Parts: sequence; structure tokens; C-alpha cells
Amino acid sequence: GAVVSQHPSWVICKSGTSVKIECRSLDFQATTMFWYRQFPKQSLMLMATSNEGSKATYEQGVEKDKFLINHASLTLSTLTVTSAHPEDSSFYICSARDQAEPSYEQYFGPGTRLTVT
Amino acid sequence: GNSVTQMEGPVTLSEEAFLTINCTYTATGYPSLFWYVQYPGEGLQLLLKATKADDKGSNKGFEATYRKETTSFHLEKGSVQVSDSAVYFCALSDFKGSNYKLTFGKGTLLTVNP
Repeated sequence: GAVVSQHPSWVICKSGTSVKIECRSLDFQATTMFWYRQFPKQSLMLMATSNEGSKATYEQGVEKDKFLINHASLTLSTLTVTSAHPEDSSFYICSARDQAEPSYEQYFGPGTRLTVT
Repeated sequence: GNSVTQMEGPVTLSEEAFLTINCTYTATGYPSLFWYVQYPGEGLQLLLKATKADDKGSNKGFEATYRKETTSFHLEKGSVQVSDSAVYFCALSDFKGSNYKLTFGKGTLLTVNP
């Protein structure tokens, strides 16, 4: 089946530094990838939608200059948290749509736990 | 805007017990409805879906019926197993712009004891 991986699975960084999270579709090509954020005991909140080769579309309230998204190929999207602060600590999850499927199903990665100290 | 409300957990059951996890939604259009499951250490997996009113989604013994009149999509299973222990998310999908977007409930942790 369709598999999406994320790397790293967890990361600890110091306040003020930047961290990059990768999302890869392993066995399909993904025209569209999504980035979510999940707080403890909270639902997944969509941060942005990225389409391969174009700029990401950010949800209201998400700072695009802080959360940089790049979708340069059909199998890779990256989320860079710039100048991270403790309030950016969270669980980040990506998903991807298979461009060969006419349905709208999203396949999810296992998530990345970010802790900013 | 769209929203999904599902019963808060955690839910703890004995093996072979009956499971119901309630889910209600608010949407402006005609959304599709989903249940996702997240096993420990894994990503979300689609469990079942329904795309229109009165549709019943089913998979692995789980069922949910799209009830437009009550705006609900409750998840049920007649006899749970230890392996069903996971977090369950109710979600709706609506087409906005050029993409379908998912709106999730908060998730319900289910623990099944032997």
C-alpha cells in the first residue's frame, strides 16, 4: 500500500535555531502534500497544503515565514521551522495524495516530535 | 466553518465488548466522512469512509453510517479485540479551492484489555 515516511521521527533543538522535517512518499508520486500540527490531546490542525512545483497555501493564522514549506519533487516535501521557540514544540504530521488515484484519500506519515529547549 | 466533535476518551473495554465512539459534525456543504485509526508508533490509517447520506462504511468489523439528519457518523464494532487498541479520529473532507481538506476531531483513545 501507499507509504509515507517522515524524518526525523523526533528532534530536539535549541531556541533560535532552525529545524527541517522531511516527508517522503515511498511508493507513489504525490502532487499534493499536507502538513499538520497536533498538540497533546488535541486534533490535527492543518497548517498548509503544498503542491509540487508551486508555493504552499497556508491556513489562516499560520506564519508562512516561520514554517517554510518546499515541495520540489513528486516524492518529497520539507517543512522548516525557522528560529524555533519553545511554543513551536509539537507533533508534526504530513500526508500525501497519490496523483494516480482519482479519490481524495490522504496517506499519513508517522509524525515528527519536535522539542525546542 | 467545518468542525468535528467526537466523544472524549479514554475508552477502556474488555475483549469482545461492544464499542461505540460518537462523532457529530458541522459542515456548510456535503462533506465526506471518515474514521482514521492510529496505532501506537504509526501514522494515521484510513479505517472507513462514507461519501453521501445513508452510506455505511465498513472495514475490519467496524461500521459507521452517514446520518445527515443527525449530522452524525458514529463508529461501532460488535466485538473488540486487544489489537483494536489505538486512537480513533473522526474526520470530514470538504472541497475548498483546488483541494479536499480534512477536518479532524480530537481523537479517542481506545484500550482493550484481555
